[in-house]
Parts: sequence; C-alpha cells; structure tokens
Amino acid sequence: RKEVEQDPGPFNVPEGATVAFNCTYSNSASQSFFWYRQDCRKEPKLLMSVYSSGNEDGRFTAQLNRASQYISLLIRDSKLSDSATYLCVVNIFSGNTPLVFGKGTRLSVIA
Amino acid sequence: DVKVTQSSRYLVKRTGEKVFLECVQDMDHENMFWYRQDPGLGLRLIYFSYDVKMKEKGDIPEGYSVSREKKERFSLILESASTNQTSMYLCASTTGAGTDTQYFGPGTRLTVL
Repeated sequence: RKEVEQDPGPFNVPEGATVAFNCTYSNSASQSFFWYRQDCRKEPKLLMSVYSSGNEDGRFTAQLNRASQYISLLIRDSKLSDSATYLCVVNIFSGNTPLVFGKGTRLSVIA
Repeated sequence: DVKVTQSSRYLVKRTGEKVFLECVQDMDHENMFWYRQDPGLGLRLIYFSYDVKMKEKGDIPEGYSVSREKKERFSLILESASTNQTSMYLCASTTGAGTDTQYFGPGTRLTVL
C-alpha cells in the first residue's frame, strides 16, 4: 500500500497548454500537503503548499479534496521552463514527523 | 538566504570502503534528514534527527548509520559500501513545524564500484 501515489508520466505538452496532475494519499489523518518541483539533476524545492480552500500562485493552482483524499496541481499557459518533475508531498501528522514524498510526475513542455 | 550544503557533489568509492557524507545547514533548523533517490523509486528516507545526538530510523536504514554531534551538521555513514548503495543522496532540514518548508542540499551522487 503506497502512501502517496502519482502518475509518473511523462506528460509531454506543447507550450501554452494547460496540464493537471493528481495525487492520492492513503492516510485520512494527513495534515499538510505540498507540491515540490525537482529539475533534472537538482534538488527538490517547494513549489507551493496546498490549502483546504485551494490556492493559486500565478499560473499554478493547487487544490485539496479531503473526502476523496487527493491533491491536484494545475499549470496554465505552460512554459518551457516548467519542464521538471513535480512531487506530491504529505505530512501525515502535525509537528515533528517526516514528510511522505510521492515518486513524482515528469512534465516536458515542448516548443 | 537559506543554505544546505553537502560535502561532495560526486563521489566514487570501492566496495567495502567506509564512506562519510556530510551535510551542513546554516538555518538553525532542529530537524535534519537523509534520503536516497533512485530512478523509479523516488525519495526514500534513510535516517532523520530531531535534535543533537538524537536519531531515528527511516524507511531504509539498513547498511547506514548517522551522527549528529552539532545542530548544524548531520553525517551519513556507510560502514562498508556495497554496489547497491550507488545512488543520489540528498540531505534536508526543516524547523520542525509540520507546515514548514523542507530545504534540500544539492545532493551527492555516490558510485560504489
């Protein structure tokens, strides 16, 4: 049983496209949710936190559905620079517990 | 600016050698973590530490040990390196609150021959 599951992709999309990633988590007690971005041969970096009400940061929108236990990330007007692996991350408890990382979804934006 | 540094970007060792991977953070974070990342397997937690001289096993601690003598430094030790420990090793730190950002170092790509 995997705690955090993502479609590995790759998602190959043209510039300007809208692309959506979903992620499911198994533990209904999970408290905090995040999307991290990892460029090729680089370390993961926080892209955005995911709040219950949904949140937006420019072209990126994150949503949380607690009832169905999934998180989504929507990227509008894709840029070449969006090409990366997107990691879905869950904190099962609040406070001092390790984050649980999904294996990531690879996105390639093509000119 | 937040910084997590790792002692080497690339390392080549021979089977049976003792290997030290060092990680230093300058953010006064309480929590530090060691992961390995392999294609198709994602990030897997090896060990973590919530305080000086304290350590907890992660998901795959076998073949590894850690040391945290100072708050800013967290070392990963391979007592006797094996070829299946060839991987990308990533160190990370965070303040401890569940909603806080986890900052990663640049990674060490270890090859064991």
